[in-house]
Amino acid sequence: AQRVTQPEKLLSVFKGAPVELKCNYSYSGSPELFWYVQYSRQRLQLLLRHISRESIKGFTADLNKGETSFHLKKPFAQEEDSAMYYCALSSNAGGTSYGKLTFGQGTILTVHP
Amino acid sequence: ETGVTQSPTHLIKTRGQQVTLRCSSQSGHNTVSWYQQALGQGPQFIFQYYREEENGRGNFPPRFSGLQFPNYSSELNVNALELDDSALYLCASSTPWVRTGNRDRADTQYFGPGTRLTVL
Repeated sequence: AQRVTQPEKLLSVFKGAPVELKCNYSYSGSPELFWYVQYSRQRLQLLLRHISRESIKGFTADLNKGETSFHLKKPFAQEEDSAMYYCALSSNAGGTSYGKLTFGQGTILTVHP
Repeated sequence: ETGVTQSPTHLIKTRGQQVTLRCSSQSGHNTVSWYQQALGQGPQFIFQYYREEENGRGNFPPRFSGLQFPNYSSELNVNALELDDSALYLCASSTPWVRTGNRDRADTQYFGPGTRLTVL
């Protein structure tokens, strides 16, 4: 069975400081990992996925299969980064389709001015 | 491009009642997944519909059921409501997969705003 763990429920940093949101996973297959973000009063939206290897809003995440981690990082946090962040793992939902997402419990990031 | 929409926004029911939640998928998406998000928790997968058939189910009892229609919209039905069913119900649409190199990979899921269900 797959599992996603986000050890920090709350994370506070000051503007301009580096930020790292931790995510660890367990999955027997080849994982596909995502970070979703939910800003206040907005819907859940994709921030980035590991196969894209792109940087969105200054955030990056590297899949470390040895440590089974997919931590989200940003070198200089901004106030507008304050939001709820979810790490998610995609596994085969069955049949010919894909994409059952298993979410962590989320981390609330607060960036202080 | 139209995003994922859900109705109603909020709903209050009493124990034992039945409820139907609706979802319209994003244009071009033929796969719909439903998630339950209890307060303070991450979303939990209920089930997925593809080509009008259930295609994968999470740890939810049979009183949670669904439908997908030819236009790819979907319904989530919950019978015999319990207090613990109070949650935000999220719908997400996607295509089944995308081909990257020689592999099929899960496509990005796009979420609706959710329906807040309160069971009294």
